Amino acid sequence: GENVEQHPSTLSVQEGDSAVIKCTYSDSASNYFPWYKQELGKGPQLIIDIRSNVGEKKDQRIAVTLNKTAKHFSLHITETQPEDSAVYFCAASLTGGYQKVTFGTGTKLQVIP
Amino acid sequence: SAVISQKPSRDICQRGTSLTIQCQVDSQVTMMFWYRQQPGQSLTLIATANQGSEATYESGFVIDKFPISRPNLTFSTLTVSNMSPEDSSIYLCSVEDRQGEYEQYFGPGTRLTVT
Repeated sequence: GENVEQHPSTLSVQEGDSAVIKCTYSDSASNYFPWYKQELGKGPQLIIDIRSNVGEKKDQRIAVTLNKTAKHFSLHITETQPEDSAVYFCAASLTGGYQKVTFGTGTKLQVIP
Repeated sequence: SAVISQKPSRDICQRGTSLTIQCQVDSQVTMMFWYRQQPGQSLTLIATANQGSEATYESGFVIDKFPISRPNLTFSTLTVSNMSPEDSSIYLCSVEDRQGEYEQYFGPGTRLTVT
């Protein structure tokens, strides 16, 4: 089955700096890679996703890159703000039919004002 | 995107009892998922609930412990049976949205403490 590794487990950045979270996956058939933000006491919120037919996707201060050859994908947050502080999860899945989303172990991001 | 609500949002239960968690979605969805998130941990899939059929359980989870109902396309329940302190977790309902490109959304979760 799919295995997703995520690094780092914790990340502290100064407000305004960039943050990068990296994930690797094992199943080359996976074609859908979402990222979730989970604030304390809340459910995971889908913030961005990328599919295997593109290498990069951007939404305002958030971008995700995908390297299918290396089975790596990364989340980039620019100009970080204190409200970006949360736990971020990457995930991998194969869309179509019954699919199971496999989650990474999470990265706790702290943005220091 | 689908809007998901869960009830209760939190509960404190005695060991040996059972709790049923409800999940309501604002649109019809084919697949609903139940996850467990232990404190400080990632999300673990318990089972997949497809309307009109028996739920499919992941390794390590059994129907007797986590019975699931899926009576229609907008509602599901998860029961945590014969609870022990090890069942203390956040239980999350999730749905897939196929109206556009495939996406998966989560409810706010139910925080369960077993004493």
